[in-house]
Amino acid sequence: EPEVTQTPSHQVTQMGQEVILRCVPISNHLYFYWYRQILGQKVEFLVSFYNNEISEKSEIFDDQFSVERPDGSNFTLKIRSTKLEDSAMYFCAISTGYYGYTFGSGTRLTVV
Amino acid sequence: SQQGEEDPQALSIQEGENATMNCSYKTSINNLQWYRQNSGRGLVHLILIRSNEREKHSGRLRVTLDTSKKSSSLLITASRAADTASYFCATDKGDSSYKLIFGSGTRLLVRP
Repeated sequence: EPEVTQTPSHQVTQMGQEVILRCVPISNHLYFYWYRQILGQKVEFLVSFYNNEISEKSEIFDDQFSVERPDGSNFTLKIRSTKLEDSAMYFCAISTGYYGYTFGSGTRLTVV
Repeated sequence: SQQGEEDPQALSIQEGENATMNCSYKTSINNLQWYRQNSGRGLVHLILIRSNEREKHSGRLRVTLDTSKKSSSLLITASRAADTASYFCATDKGDSSYKLIFGSGTRLLVRP
């Protein structure tokens, strides 16, 4: 089964700063996703990315968020001006079709 | 309740016992998936059951799906201490982005 690597595993940033979370799927897939999980809460869908463009985004994914797949391999989530409430685990995922999703191990973002 | 709600919220059993977790959802689905999450870690895909399937097995896991009741159950037989984790169901409505909607999870504690 393909693996998904996320970096960094933990990032602490000051409120108002920009952060970039990275995801590297080993295999080549068409569907990429970002989800987040605020501590103690359910996993929430942020955005899906297909064929190098956003196919769907949630209400959470406002103008401060953006996604890119700059080099055809890495998949990034950028938060332009972080807020305290952005503190959460952020998961990258790829769709493997019949076998469901493969999630990365996550990036714990702490905004102080 | 929201799409993909599990019960119980928490379950404590003795090693060797069976653990049953339930999931209810509201809308029609393409498939339903179960994931495990160890504390503060990533999501591990356990099993996927399609809307035209009623039961599926994988090792010590047994999943059932009742689309008429919009519910699913996950049974872990002969539980082990290593099964201690949170378990989430997630539904895929089969829309264009194949996004997952997660439930709030069941925290399972298996006492040695």
